[in-house]
Amino acid sequence: DIQMTQSPSTLSASVGDRVTITCRASRIISSWVAWYQQTPGKAPKLLIYRAASLQSGVPSRFSGSGSGTEFTLTISSLQPDDLATYYCQQYDTYPYTFGQGTKLEIK
Amino acid sequence: QVQLVQSGAEVKKPGASVKVSCKASEYTFTGYYFHWVRQAPGQGLEWMGWINPKSGDTKYGQKFQGRVTMTWDTSISTAYMEVSRLRSDDTAVYYCARGLISIVPAAMSFWGQGTLVTVSS
Repeated sequence: DIQMTQSPSTLSASVGDRVTITCRASRIISSWVAWYQQTPGKAPKLLIYRAASLQSGVPSRFSGSGSGTEFTLTISSLQPDDLATYYCQQYDTYPYTFGQGTKLEIK
Repeated sequence: QVQLVQSGAEVKKPGASVKVSCKASEYTFTGYYFHWVRQAPGQGLEWMGWINPKSGDTKYGQKFQGRVTMTWDTSISTAYMEVSRLRSDDTAVYYCARGLISIVPAAMSFWGQGTLVTVSS
């Protein structure tokens, strides 16, 4: 199975900060990478697909990039609503796998 | 707008089976794959497999082969996921999710609200 390793596991930042979360795949994959946001008690929400495409309705402060084995999710200016856990996912190879999650806290 | 509404919480004994439903609305049911993802309490997300409700094709994660069955009923726009021979470590919230586009591979763009399955003696 392809392992997706996210860093950091937790992140504390202030409103207005630029935040970056990294996801490393255990082997080279194509751009079939997605990022999801999950708030407590809720289902995940798709933010980014194909590594860099912004899902419809998602604020433009979210962006994704990367290729090969390293992918990043960036929030350009952190907002209070961004308090959540973020997951990367590869859907290049079966079984599809998720990162372990990054919990984002607002200072 | 697209909606996926799942069945309610279940409590089952070890060794039993559970069948979770996911009713879709506001789009062409057979046009998109359904994925099933689970999340154990306080843990991350785990992909279980998908079903193509147009062809009936399924793809299960190897971990779930032989114990999970995904089915569908086009007449009521509902997908199902059954887990047999339940164990305590199957306790989790089970989500259905629809693919973003009509083929695989695809990210999961619409999600059900989740169904908590508790396995306890």
